[in-house]
Amino acid sequence: GENVEQHPSTLSVQEGDSAVIKCTYSDSASNYFPWYKQELGKRPQLIIDIRSNVGEKKDQRIAVTLNKTAKHFSLHITETQPEDSAVYFCAARANNNDMRFGAGTRLTVKP
Amino acid sequence: EAQVTQNPRYLITVTGKKLTVTCSQNMNHEYMSWYRQDPGLGLRQIYYSMNVEVTDKGDVPEGYKVSRKEKRNFPLILESPSPNQTSLYFCASSFVQDGGNEQFFGPGTRLTVL
Repeated sequence: GENVEQHPSTLSVQEGDSAVIKCTYSDSASNYFPWYKQELGKRPQLIIDIRSNVGEKKDQRIAVTLNKTAKHFSLHITETQPEDSAVYFCAARANNNDMRFGAGTRLTVKP
Repeated sequence: EAQVTQNPRYLITVTGKKLTVTCSQNMNHEYMSWYRQDPGLGLRQIYYSMNVEVTDKGDVPEGYKVSRKEKRNFPLILESPSPNQTSLYFCASSFVQDGGNEQFFGPGTRLTVL
């Protein structure tokens, strides 16, 4: 089955700096790669996703890149703000629709 | 309002006392899944279901059962709970279609087994 690894496990940045979180996956059949944000005490919520036929996708301050050859994808947050502080999860979904999550990255944005 | 609901939201129980956590979605999603979340371990999948009467094991199915008799409901059953099943549980659902699809999460159920 799919195995997703996520790094780093914790990340601390100064407000206004960029943050990058990286994930690798093992199943070359995976074709959908979402990123979820989980604020303290709340459910995970989708912030951006990318499909395997696209190399990069951007939505305002967040962007995701995908390298299918290397089987890794990354989340980029620019101009970070304190409200970006949360746990971020990457995930990968194969054709069988089974989804696997990374272990999560705790992002702290210092004012 | 389109949503995934779970009940109960909080539960404290004792070892060996059977319990069921309900999950329901009103979005006509084919796919439903259960996860447990523990510190440092992310979201680990327990069971998932592609459609009615179709269920499959995830990464950590031991000690859990599920059923999918109706499209909207996907209950999680702990026949004989143990303290190592103390965790935060999330139910999620999505459509099944080519190209990927957003998974919607329920609000979570915090379970403590004494």
